Amino acid sequence: QKEVEQNSGPLSVPEGAIASLNCTYSDRGSQSFFWYRQYSGKSPELIMFIYSNGDKEDGRFTAQLNKASQYVSLLIRDSQPSDSATYLCAEDTGRRALTFGSGTRLQVQP
Amino acid sequence: DAGVIQSPRHEVTEMGQEVTLRCKPISGHDYLFWYRQTMMRGLELLIYFNNNVPIDDSGMPEDRFSAKMPNASFSTLKIQPSEPRDSAVYFCASSLARGTLHNEQFFGPGTRLTVL
Repeated sequence: QKEVEQNSGPLSVPEGAIASLNCTYSDRGSQSFFWYRQYSGKSPELIMFIYSNGDKEDGRFTAQLNKASQYVSLLIRDSQPSDSATYLCAEDTGRRALTFGSGTRLQVQP
Repeated sequence: DAGVIQSPRHEVTEMGQEVTLRCKPISGHDYLFWYRQTMMRGLELLIYFNNNVPIDDSGMPEDRFSAKMPNASFSTLKIQPSEPRDSAVYFCASSLARGTLHNEQFFGPGTRLTVL
């Protein structure tokens, strides 16, 4: 059973809208969480990481962590067509290696 | 810094042949990870090293797979003999231990392996 679950999508949003990507995890021992963006044919690129409950903002991106409910989310404000990619959620249970979800494909329509 | 460097970028080989993938981590990073990505199984961890020592190889699918890290700036992943089901994109990533909560991993461009 996959330890990190994501909806595969595609999630389609119009340009300028807020895209909301969600991820749930099963290991309560997970300490930190990461969001990677992967364009087709490219390698994963780190966007944000979060380890405290609540929100963390970086430009148009906001990561949210709720450890009690075991979910992580990524909000992308003012979505642009260049944001169209697959977004991977990953957890670190403290052993340094990351466990990745299968990714959510985001399509931003111009 | 040049980032994580992998070679070759593409490899096409025939079943039964030996394949060697190479990785140079970011200078100063003390963790190195090998991942495999397929449509069916997503991104899977194969093995990772800390200070050149293998820490966890439980993701290595079979004895046909082996990995080494002879020094801090070089690692190899070898498949011998290769099989068509090994076809995938293999990524190398590295990170710097800056505390238990900071584990940002940086990925190389990947090697696309096709086994015919």
